[in-house]
Amino acid sequence: AQSVTQLDSQVPVFEEAPVELRCNYSSSVSVYLFWYVQYPNQGLQLLLKYLSGSTLVESINGFEAEFNKSQTSFHLRKPSVHISDTAEYFCAVKTGGSYIPTFGRGTSLIVHP
Amino acid sequence: NAGVTQTPKFQVLKTGQSMTLQCAQDMNHEYMSWYRQDPGMGLRLIHYSVGAGITDQGEVPNGYNVSRSTTEDFPLRLLSAAPSQTSVYFCASSRGQGVDEQFFGPGTRLTVL
Repeated sequence: AQSVTQLDSQVPVFEEAPVELRCNYSSSVSVYLFWYVQYPNQGLQLLLKYLSGSTLVESINGFEAEFNKSQTSFHLRKPSVHISDTAEYFCAVKTGGSYIPTFGRGTSLIVHP
Repeated sequence: NAGVTQTPKFQVLKTGQSMTLQCAQDMNHEYMSWYRQDPGMGLRLIHYSVGAGITDQGEVPNGYNVSRSTTEDFPLRLLSAAPSQTSVYFCASSRGQGVDEQFFGPGTRLTVL
């Protein structure tokens, strides 16, 4: 079985500052890694995912995540955040044979003006 | 494509009442699931289905029933609502195992008095 730990439940940051949301996982087999974003009063939507190949994955709105196999981490970063990035962010992991992802408990990113 | 749709958006029930939360997807996805989201608890899996006629229990199935008679629809039934079932409910679907991400509906906010 796999597990996901999001170390910070809440991350407050000022607009235009950099941010890192941390995600660590444990699994005995190879995994696929995902970050989802949930804007207020909406469902979750995929932000980015790591399947294989380059360990750095980018999203269309400036976020990036780096897969680090030795540290079993998949931290999400953005060099300069906007007010509109205020949302809940969920890290998730799936194994190759699994329909069911394991989600972390989420990190609330709060961007202040 | 409408993606994943959920009805109703909001519902208030009295303790002991029953109701069905509707979920439909138009992407021909085999896998569908129901989650509940509570503050500080992240997403918890209630029930899931890997195809028409096949359902299984997730982490918190008590008090909920599901069936999957078609690929498109996956309703969640509350048999006798309790205040502990006050939550936001999300339906999700995905094409299959491993690399495929989840597509989420907009959620149903349920209050049980």
